[in-house]
Amino acid sequence: EAGVTQSPTHLIKTRGQQATLRCSPISGHTSVYWYQQALGLGLQFLLWYDEGEERNRGNFPPRFSGRQFPNYSSELNVNALELEDSALYLCASSLWTVTSNQPQHFGDGTRLSIL
Amino acid sequence: AQSVTQLGSHVSVSEGALVLLRCNYSSSVPPYLFWYVQYPNQGLQLLLKYTTGATLVKGINGFEAEFKKSETSFHLTKPSAHMSDAAEYFCAVSMIKAAGNKLTFGGGTRVLVKP
Repeated sequence: EAGVTQSPTHLIKTRGQQATLRCSPISGHTSVYWYQQALGLGLQFLLWYDEGEERNRGNFPPRFSGRQFPNYSSELNVNALELEDSALYLCASSLWTVTSNQPQHFGDGTRLSIL
Repeated sequence: AQSVTQLGSHVSVSEGALVLLRCNYSSSVPPYLFWYVQYPNQGLQLLLKYTTGATLVKGINGFEAEFKKSETSFHLTKPSAHMSDAAEYFCAVSMIKAAGNKLTFGGGTRVLVKP
């Protein structure tokens, strides 16, 4: 079974540019989550998508946005990039039901570097 | 809101010695608890999870963790460390029906294994 795949592996941008990160979940998983792992800030929840809808977002500005496609893959878009956006962005997928809690399975991440 | 505290950002153990990583959580209701491991330049790999039932949970690679509600703890142990256990370990919690399935992570504990 293929795991969660993310692309690209590395992305280098300059301040003010836009970045698009992509994620393909494990087959059968409908929920996709995005996390930011920045140096000194730990792992922080960014966004949760399920069945094509944004279900929850963390404490990040609106320039962090995304979407989920009908095949459950997802994009994370970061506009007006700032130096502090440099981080490893991790995508995870899971099954989700209202009555149980399924573990999230993570991809290897996209390392975004802002120059 | 829930929070997770991992005592000790760095732990050094000798090969063959006990590995003990501490995790305490705060939550208004019993959460779901997870331990993840992150090897260099990789994403997070699920070690084990506690949802309901038996409080001693066995995971992969010889790790286990015990849920103690009275102490709000979920410490991770491995009887005998191996060189391949050198990695960063994250404790995480999530709440069913609250903000979906988002994970709240501790700050992580980096494990160094000495030969």
